[in-house]
Amino acid sequence: NAGVTQTPKFRILKIGQSMTLQCAQDMNHNYMYWYRQDPGMGLKLIYYSVGAGITDKGEVPNGYNVSRSTTEDFPLRLELAAPSQTSVYFCASLGGLGNEKLFFGSGTQLSVL
Amino acid sequence: SQKIEQNSEALNIQEGKTATLTCNYTNYSPAYLQWYRQDPGRGPVFLLLIRENEKEKRKERLKVTFDTTLKQSLFHITASQPADSATYLCALDPSGSARQLTFGSGTQLTVLP
Repeated sequence: NAGVTQTPKFRILKIGQSMTLQCAQDMNHNYMYWYRQDPGMGLKLIYYSVGAGITDKGEVPNGYNVSRSTTEDFPLRLELAAPSQTSVYFCASLGGLGNEKLFFGSGTQLSVL
Repeated sequence: SQKIEQNSEALNIQEGKTATLTCNYTNYSPAYLQWYRQDPGRGPVFLLLIRENEKEKRKERLKVTFDTTLKQSLFHITASQPADSATYLCALDPSGSARQLTFGSGTQLTVLP
């Protein structure tokens, strides 16, 4: 049982480049999330999805886009990368009401130079 | 504004003692509160969930309390071990809908042998 899988683990981008962070879960969870974590800070919610075809903004959505075409996949797109997007990104999934614990991936460490 | 604060950034204790971590919140009325453990370079791992109508929850050497009047949760690790060294995060869900979990910045616990 793989759980939540994120790729890549590390990436260096130049300012203005774009990339997609991949996230897949095999637990048939409806709820999926993208968080970013800066040093000494808590996790900040970027976007979330409550099911295929449904996405919504979190606390810090600017500069990011998401899509949810299947239950399993929830990619995060960075357009025109900026140094402020240097962070560790975590994808997570949750089974739904009555099963409210988050399962996290191992993270993607992104540096924008 | 809404805020979650964890008592200190770092806490050092001697092996065998009880570690107590604090999570305070303001301007929230959470349906439940969760605690996660995060090791360096890894995603957070769920430990315990306590609901607003519960005063205390236990799991092995872990105990969580939840005081909605004080707006505070305490997280205890009894008979602490060096392997308990990690960052511990509290998270709460204001709405109970599981849509937007909000995290504190964490407390880094070091258990000294």
